[in-house]
Amino acid sequence: QAVVTQEPSVTVSPGGTVTLTCGSSTGAVTSGHYPYWFQQKPGQAPRTLIFDTNDKHSWTPARFSGSLLGGKAALTLSGAQPEDEADYYCFLFYDGDGVFGGGTKLTVL
Amino acid sequence: EVQLVESGGGLVKPGGSLRLTCAVSGFTLSGNHMTWVRQASGKGLEWISFMSGVTNKISYADSVKGRFTMSRDNGKNSVYLQMNSLRAEDTALYYCLGSGSASRWGQGTPVTVSS
Repeated sequence: QAVVTQEPSVTVSPGGTVTLTCGSSTGAVTSGHYPYWFQQKPGQAPRTLIFDTNDKHSWTPARFSGSLLGGKAALTLSGAQPEDEADYYCFLFYDGDGVFGGGTKLTVL
Repeated sequence: EVQLVESGGGLVKPGGSLRLTCAVSGFTLSGNHMTWVRQASGKGLEWISFMSGVTNKISYADSVKGRFTMSRDNGKNSVYLQMNSLRAEDTALYYCLGSGSASRWGQGTPVTVSS
């Protein structure tokens, strides 16, 4: 089974920009993996920020964007806010099988 | 508005069974892929099962293959997860998730496997 890798922890300054990445042990991440990005705050259910690489939900703040970057899926946060401090999980599909990354703990400090 | 409501969790002894239900509204199951996910306390998200809304193909994580069965009833707008031969390591909060624009999360249903 594929392994999906994320940075364990990342720190960003308020108002700063940060990119979280999501790599695959099988090679380059493509749109065919339908990358998802989920945000989870302590004690809450996850919520979907990005689906299908770069599509947003109505509730996704405009400062979040998804892309493919250097063979990985990427979540970019432009203008970090204190409320963005959370765990972020990426998720990839491999022909019906799904794999989550281990999550990135984002600290806004 | 898309909504997913999980139910059916509870306390069960090792070796026991449970059937989880995911009732969806705001979209139709037909043509939408559905996924079950779980999260043990203090741990990350774990993919459990996937059902294609187009081909009806179902896939399972190795950790549950042969013990869990995913199904759906389009008429009832519900997805199910039959869990048999439960183990302590199946203890978690279980979520269902739609695909694409239907990828909203419910609050999950807790499953505790303990003697």
